[in-house]
Amino acid sequence: DAKTTQPTSMDCAEGRAANLPCNHSTISGNEYVYWYRQIHSQGPQYIIHGLKNNETNEMASLIITEDRKSSTLILPHATLRDTAVYYCIVRVEYGNKLVFGAGTILRVKS
Amino acid sequence: NAGVTQTPKFQVLKTGQSMTLQCAQDMNHEYMSWYRQDPGMGLRLIHYSVGAGITDQGEVPNGYNVSRSTTEDFPLRLLSAAPSQTSVYFCASSYDPGTEAFFGQGTRLTVV
Repeated sequence: DAKTTQPTSMDCAEGRAANLPCNHSTISGNEYVYWYRQIHSQGPQYIIHGLKNNETNEMASLIITEDRKSSTLILPHATLRDTAVYYCIVRVEYGNKLVFGAGTILRVKS
Repeated sequence: NAGVTQTPKFQVLKTGQSMTLQCAQDMNHEYMSWYRQDPGMGLRLIHYSVGAGITDQGEVPNGYNVSRSTTEDFPLRLLSAAPSQTSVYFCASSYDPGTEAFFGQGTRLTVV
């Protein structure tokens, strides 16, 4: 599975959009980009995943560049409850492993 | 709908003791897995199962055993606990490996 690179931490003002980048320059054609988050040592929570088209659900949007070497997770209106560690994971869709890196600590501030 | 239930939530063991961490899911998911998370780090895969009777090793399997006799349950056994196994353990399940994984709330294990 391809390796990902994320910033260690980011701050965001409450009510503003939070844009979390992820680099995955060695991604293969059949590998998907998954995002999970972990709030205050709880179990991780699935957010979204995609292959090459942009994806949107009730939680977030996922923007994947045309060359698929990077992506951005967008939380459109961040709240204090969105403060968490966000993990970007690349893998084959039906692969057996979720490989978690260190993730990005997102701090939403009022 | 309980989702993924882990017991116990907290446990303190002495070096050399054995114990079983329990994980149960009520979503009829075939795929289940165990992770450990050390302070300030991401999760690392210990063992996983793609269905009853089938298990395989993950990234850090040493010191842990698993079995999968039913779809619902996936216990993790520590045969002889060591201080290096002090960690938070998470169990996860999903309908298949490519779909959303649901995680339990974790078991916080301290080995002294």
